[in-house]
Amino acid sequence: SYVLTQPPSVSVAPGQTARITCGGNNIGSKSVHWYQQKPGQAPVLVVYDDSDRPSGIPERFSGSNSGNTATLTISRVEAGDEADYYCQVWDSSSDHYVFGTGTKVTVL
Amino acid sequence: EVQLVESGGGLVQPGGSLRLSCAASGFTFSSYEMNWVRQAPGKGLEWVSYISSSGSTIYYADSVKGRFTISRDNAKNSLYLQMNSLRAEDTAVYYCAREFGANAFDIWGQGTMVTVSS
Repeated sequence: SYVLTQPPSVSVAPGQTARITCGGNNIGSKSVHWYQQKPGQAPVLVVYDDSDRPSGIPERFSGSNSGNTATLTISRVEAGDEADYYCQVWDSSSDHYVFGTGTKVTVL
Repeated sequence: EVQLVESGGGLVQPGGSLRLSCAASGFTFSSYEMNWVRQAPGKGLEWVSYISSSGSTIYYADSVKGRFTISRDNAKNSLYLQMNSLRAEDTAVYYCAREFGANAFDIWGQGTMVTVSS
């Protein structure tokens, strides 16, 4: 089955840039989506199709995808960005949706 | 307002059954593919099941295949998950999620908690 690997945690100071990676075999050939989840809340889609943002999501959130790694970048990090982040793809070989292992972003 | 509201969670004994419901409002439910996603306490997100807009195509995660059944009633704007032969490892918050575009989940419900314990 297809596996997506994320670093367990990322720490960043306010105003700096956080980069969260999502590794998968030839992930560059798939569309990657990213979700933000704060404690006790449902996930929220922040980036879809590698680099598009849903309406209402700040431009500070951006994405890229190439080779075996997709990346979610959060620029000018704010305290409110502290959350868990998950990547997700559709694996057509198994007809399964796959979520990454999740990354906890801590704002120092 | 576009909204999904889950219900039906609760405490059930191992081997028991439970039926979850998800009520949709604020959008044309019959036009969208839908999914169930779960999250065990302190763990990550796990996709559970998918159903096409018409209900003709269905997929399941390996962990629930043969035990869970997804269905929908477009006339009632509702999505369901029938869960049988429940195990302790099925304990989780269950979310329904609307799918759009290239398999992204753009709208999520607030979740309903299922606890499998004796």
